[in-house]
Amino acid sequence: DIQMTQSPASLSASLEEIVTITCQASQDIGNWLAWYQQKPGKSPQLLIHSATSLADGIPSRFSGSRSGTQYSLKISRLQVEDTGIYYCLQRYSNPWTFGGGTKLELK
Amino acid sequence: EVQLVESGGGLVQPGASLKLSCVASGFTFSDYWMSWVRQTPGKTMEWIGDIKYDGSYTNYAPSLKNRFTISRDNAKSTLYLQMSNVRSEDTATYYCTRFGVSEDYWGQGVMVTVSS
Repeated sequence: DIQMTQSPASLSASLEEIVTITCQASQDIGNWLAWYQQKPGKSPQLLIHSATSLADGIPSRFSGSRSGTQYSLKISRLQVEDTGIYYCLQRYSNPWTFGGGTKLELK
Repeated sequence: EVQLVESGGGLVQPGASLKLSCVASGFTFSDYWMSWVRQTPGKTMEWIGDIKYDGSYTNYAPSLKNRFTISRDNAKSTLYLQMSNVRSEDTATYYCTRFGVSEDYWGQGVMVTVSS
């Protein structure tokens, strides 16, 4: 199985701050990487697909990048509504695997 | 509007079986692969597996393959997850999901609690 190591596990940041979450894949997964946001009591919502493409309706302050087998999600100016849990998901090979999640809170 | 509505969860004893259902609407169900994903109380996400649009092929997470079975009834636009010999570690919220390249659809989730 491909392991997705996500960091940090939790993060506290201030409004308007830049936030970066990373996922390290245990092997090459190309651009088959998605990022999700989950709010309490809700289902996950797709933010980024294909490593760098913004999903429909997602604010442009969210962006994804890739450097080799390391993937990053960046929130350029943190807003109140951005709190929640963030996950990466590799869809390169079965079984698909999620990162461990990052809980993002406001400071 | 795409909708996925799961049902069939609840409290179940260890060793028992349980079948979850997911009724789909708002799209042509028989055109799409469908998946199940679960989330533990500790918020760990796990992909369970998926099934081809015509039901002819399935993939599973290796750790679940011997106890979980995914099936579908395209005439009823319904996806199923048969769980057998359940264990405490199967306690989770189970999501029915339609993954796409650039868009996903998730159900609201159904809770399964395994406890005596």
